[in-house]
Amino acid sequence: GAVVSQHPSWVICKSGTSVKIECRSLDFQATTMFWYRQFPKQSLMLMATSNEGSKATYEQGVEKDKFLINHASLTLSTLTVTSAHPEDSSFYICSARVAGPTSYNEQFFGPGTRLTVL
Amino acid sequence: QKEVEQDPGPLSVPEGAIVSLNCTYSNSAFQYFMWYRQYSRKGPELLMYTYSSGNKEDGRFTAQVDKSSKYISLFIRDSQPSDSATYLCATTLGGGATNKLIFGTGTLLAVQP
Repeated sequence: GAVVSQHPSWVICKSGTSVKIECRSLDFQATTMFWYRQFPKQSLMLMATSNEGSKATYEQGVEKDKFLINHASLTLSTLTVTSAHPEDSSFYICSARVAGPTSYNEQFFGPGTRLTVL
Repeated sequence: QKEVEQDPGPLSVPEGAIVSLNCTYSNSAFQYFMWYRQYSRKGPELLMYTYSSGNKEDGRFTAQVDKSSKYISLFIRDSQPSDSATYLCATTLGGGATNKLIFGTGTLLAVQP
């Protein structure tokens, strides 16, 4: 099946620093990638949708200047958390989708990145 | 009101039991309904998806959608300890590549050996 990787899997940083998380589709080209955030015992909340070569579309309440998303190629998207604060500590998960002829286009999820901001 | 409601559990059952997991949703325009399994500190993996109302079976798993009552279910037969995970229901308006998924909170399932 399609594989999506994330790097790093776990990161600890100091308050005020920036952290970059990479999401890669390893064996397929992803026309659309999604970034989610999941707090403990809560569901996945969509942060933004990005299409290769265009600006990301952010969900209501998500600060686009704080969570910078770059989708430079069909296999790589990055999420940069700028000036991270303890309340940004969460589990960040990306997913990738490829447009195809079928009626339903499955999203393939990465393993997630656990961010802890001290 | 949340768009998708799901009992967070936890749900504990003995090995071999039949497990029933359920969600309700509010928007009658939703067309695709998915169940994902998520192990601790891992990303979700798709178990099954269903289009519109009806049943779908895959091995020990059966998904049901009742659009008239906005109710979706996942049944697991002969449950195994390896089924212990969080199960998330999700829905979307369409199957296209840019349609976003809306998730329930997930139900934590523990199958006791």
